[in-house]
Amino acid sequence: KNQVEQSPQSLIILEGKNCTLQCNYTVSPFSNLRWYKQDTGRGPVSLTIMTFSENTKSNGRYTATLDADTKQSSLHITASQLSDSASYICVVSPTLNNAGNMLTFGGGTRLMVKP
Amino acid sequence: DTEVTQTPKHLVMGMTNKKSLKCEQHMGHRAMYWYKQKAKKPPELMFVYSYEKLSINESVPSRFSPECPNSSLLNLHLHALQPEDSALYLCASSPRVTETQYFGPGTRLLVL
Repeated sequence: KNQVEQSPQSLIILEGKNCTLQCNYTVSPFSNLRWYKQDTGRGPVSLTIMTFSENTKSNGRYTATLDADTKQSSLHITASQLSDSASYICVVSPTLNNAGNMLTFGGGTRLMVKP
Repeated sequence: DTEVTQTPKHLVMGMTNKKSLKCEQHMGHRAMYWYKQKAKKPPELMFVYSYEKLSINESVPSRFSPECPNSSLLNLHLHALQPEDSALYLCASSPRVTETQYFGPGTRLLVL
């Protein structure tokens, strides 16, 4: 069964500090992995997308890494800001030919940045 | 236009009401999706439309009825809902199925 596990479930950090969120998946065959940011009561917004051949992808203060061999990804947030407080969701997609399977969502990490 | 819009933002309805949620995108995407999201949970896929045809129905109760009038519009018709159907309903679109999905802001539904 395809699964995506995220850790930690929740995290509190002080403004200006860095943090790293983890994502482990068992989706196979694998096409790509995405990180989304979701503010409370809003729709998810895509931060990064990586295929199996990519190791690192950056978007401003967000840097995602991918190890396709160990099926692990991380999202590193640098110099956190209060506006980073949100849920971060890891989403894995199977290969395009496997039309019967859709995206598999992780449970998300709820990040709170305090002043 | 690079966004997905949803209306209404909030909806309160009784269990005997009939209402509709609307979703619109003008990015030329040919895949559109409906998700249901409960508090502190990830989105759950409900329906997928590909080239205006329903391609996936994830065993959703018949009180939810999707409709895709054209490539830019996606509706979700609601009838005889239950209080447990209260949730955030998200619409998304992508160029094609399984490509990066762009989500709308959602409709927060409360069933009394």
